[in-house]
Parts: sequence; C-alpha cells; structure tokens
Amino acid sequence: QKEVEQDPGPLSVPEGAIVSLNCTYSNSAFQYFMWYRQYSRKGPELLMYTYSSGNKEDGRFTAQVDKSSKYISLFIRDSQPSDSATYLCAMTGMEYGNKLVFGAGTILRVKS
Amino acid sequence: SAVISQKPSRDICQRGTSLTIQCQVDSQVTMMFWYRQQPGQSLTLIATANQGSEATYESGFVIDKFPISRPNLTFSTLTVSNMSPEDSSIYLCSVRVSLSGNTIYFGEGSWLTVV
Repeated sequence: QKEVEQDPGPLSVPEGAIVSLNCTYSNSAFQYFMWYRQYSRKGPELLMYTYSSGNKEDGRFTAQVDKSSKYISLFIRDSQPSDSATYLCAMTGMEYGNKLVFGAGTILRVKS
Repeated sequence: SAVISQKPSRDICQRGTSLTIQCQVDSQVTMMFWYRQQPGQSLTLIATANQGSEATYESGFVIDKFPISRPNLTFSTLTVSNMSPEDSSIYLCSVRVSLSGNTIYFGEGSWLTVV
C-alpha cells in the first residue's frame, strides 16, 4: 500500500463546475499538507499549504484536511479551462525530515 | 516564496554521456532537494543537497550515478552520469524556505531526453 493514494483520473468537468480532488494517506505522522498544480512539462506550482486539520481558502481554491480520517481535499470553484493541469497532493512531517511524499497526481480537464 | 532557476530547461543527450543541471535560488535557503519525474509519473526524491558536505541519497539512488554539489546556500548542481534512455525524465530542483514554515517550492525543471 502506498503512503499517499490519489486517483490519477483523468477528471473531466464543464467550465464553471466545482471540482473536488482528494488524497488519502496512511501515516498519522504527516503534519503538513500541500497541493501543487503542474502544467505539462513545467515544474509543480504550490497552490495551497495547510498545517494539521481544518480548512484554508484562497480565491477559488479551498484546501481541507481531516486528520482523523487521514483525508485531504482541494476544491476549485468556478473552474476554468486554464485550471486544466495535473494536481498533486504532497505531505510531510518531522519524521520525514521535510521530505515530501507525493500522491500520483490527478489529471483535470475543464472543458469550455 | 523563492525564485528558482534551472539550466538547461531541456536537452537531448547521447547515451553514455553525462549532463550537469544547475539550480540557482534568489535567496539563501535552508534545504535544497533534487527530484526526478519520469514520464506520466509522480515525483521521486533523489537526494537532499547538503551545503558543504555530501548529499543524502534516497533508496535506489547512488552518488556515482547522480553526483550532487552544493557549494553555498543558493546554488546546487545535479549530474546525471552515463545516461541511458531510462534516465529520460524531468529533473526538478526544490527548496525549503525557512521563513515559510515547511513550504517547499520547485523550479521549472530540466527535461532530459536520452537517445
């Protein structure tokens, strides 16, 4: 079993839809949770960073962490074709020495 | 945040040759890392580049194949040695910025194709 599970998709939605992307993990030692967006042949771009459980909102993006369920989510409101990319969840903790453990990445396609 | 510049951005390399990738950061950072992303795959950590000492390699990666230097707090290099087609990947430099907690940023990557 992988430490971080993420459905690779692809996930295809119409423009304007609310997108929900999710990851589950197995190690309760993870404390810091990140979402990255990666366009084709580009480096990952940090979208959201959260510590422990709770919600964090930034514009059209909301990150949610539920440590009791070992489940994290990224919601994208009013999705745009420019949101089409691969979304990677990543996490780390003191036990990992700040090394990130990544999910497989979910390919998102927003159709206009 | 941090601005991370990588060179080259892409290259086509001959089998058996070596290529050095440079990573320059616009500010001093506590930690620098090198990742590999093979086609269609997620990111895999190669090593942590330690300033002034040998890099710390992850399981499956060795210094002879991926020598790393980090002469100061803003610069690192990764060499991919004796390349084979299996080394065709994006190689990514990443940094942890101490003032941003555990936030880790990535460069644009170096896309290597080995023929």
